[in-house]
Amino acid sequence: EIVLTQSPGTLSLSPGERATLSCRASQSVSDNYLAWYQQRPGQAPRLLIYGASSRATGIPDRFSGSGSGTDFTLTISRLEPEDFAVYYCQQFGSSPFTFGPGTKVDIK
Amino acid sequence: EVQLVESGGGLVKSGGPLSLSCAASGFTFSNAWMNWVRQAPGKGLEWVGRIKSKTAGGTIDYAAPVKGRFTISRDDSKNTVYLQMSSLRTEDTAFYYCTTGGFYFEFWGRGTLVTVSS
Repeated sequence: EIVLTQSPGTLSLSPGERATLSCRASQSVSDNYLAWYQQRPGQAPRLLIYGASSRATGIPDRFSGSGSGTDFTLTISRLEPEDFAVYYCQQFGSSPFTFGPGTKVDIK
Repeated sequence: EVQLVESGGGLVKSGGPLSLSCAASGFTFSNAWMNWVRQAPGKGLEWVGRIKSKTAGGTIDYAAPVKGRFTISRDDSKNTVYLQMSSLRTEDTAFYYCTTGGFYFEFWGRGTLVTVSS
């Protein structure tokens, strides 16, 4: 089973700042099969990025994904008020599909 | 518009059964691979299992913690996917989400809460 680690656990930033979230896998994720999700309080998760760098339908271009192998990054170029949420990475290169523990982005 | 609506959650005693349903609309359900993902209150996400479309073989995969206790099935005539849970444990307490997608999870329902009491 591939174990995903996310850092930092919490990121305290102000609106307009840049957020950089990290996701590290215990072994290489085949074909960069990695996704990112956003979860706001009381809501279901929402797909942001798949295939490490492809934005899902309707996702603003301030969200970008990068990385390969075992190290992946989600970048939010300029934080909007609605971006303060928890972000999860997920690998789908091998079963069982696993999620990271999440990074909470909160308002500084 | 894609809609996924879970139902069937509630309070159940440890060791008991419970069945969840997920009614889908807004897409061609018979072609879709469907998943269940759960989230214990205040915790992270955990993939529970996946059922492929019949044209892809209808194969079902489960996560280790639920294998042998949970059963996923689908009724394409009703655009519905099911999660039958048995021998429930307190650690199965979670919100259960129905999602679309073979590998990553594109659309999600709002979830239904299952609480297992001791």
